[in-house]
Amino acid sequence: DGGITQSPKYLFRKEGQNVTLSCEQNLNHDAMYWYRQDPGQGLRLIYYSQIVNDFQKGDIAEGYSVSREKKESFPLTVTSAQKNPTAFYLCASSTVINTEAFFGQGTRLTVV
Amino acid sequence: KNEVEQSPQNLTAQEGEFITINCSYSVGISALHWLQQHPGGGIVSLFMLSSGKKKHGRLIATINIQEKHSSLHITASHPRDSAVYICAADSGGGADGLTFGKGTHLIIQP
Repeated sequence: DGGITQSPKYLFRKEGQNVTLSCEQNLNHDAMYWYRQDPGQGLRLIYYSQIVNDFQKGDIAEGYSVSREKKESFPLTVTSAQKNPTAFYLCASSTVINTEAFFGQGTRLTVV
Repeated sequence: KNEVEQSPQNLTAQEGEFITINCSYSVGISALHWLQQHPGGGIVSLFMLSSGKKKHGRLIATINIQEKHSSLHITASHPRDSAVYICAADSGGGADGLTFGKGTHLIIQP
């Protein structure tokens, strides 16, 4: 079955370390997105990519980096520059033309 | 930019009650999503609506495009329905992503 896989579901890291969150999809979708959720707030867009080797900053890109070397994969790196990295991170994908979006299960990152 | 408002923010009900969660948005959209987030954070996609009504088990989602409003209903609610329900407005094409509501925290008491 096609879908989006995020791993791991829970992730713990020490402060000051970079950490990479995985997002893989086998839906042949062109567009992929990363969102962040904080308590009491809606999900906010970090980065998105419409095509391989291209990506755009979202509303809260500072302290994050992404790559899109393959259509299926859109990993998110939370760098040490991100002041408050502890959050829930959600990956999504969609075809650029069709509006149906698919969602991963999410990764809860805790930085201690 | 679309603004998405959900109500209520928190809802506690007794098992068996009929539940309604509302979602309104400010700009015309191509689709609206309802998501369920379980304790621990895992996300499940419940519905994607472009018009009318969809039903899956005890869950019903409706959308009124003219009024820019959608509702999620749960019939015969059960404690296992306790979760955060999130609506997300898709403004079309997928390129700009989705605008999410803040979520409705639902607790169903036995």
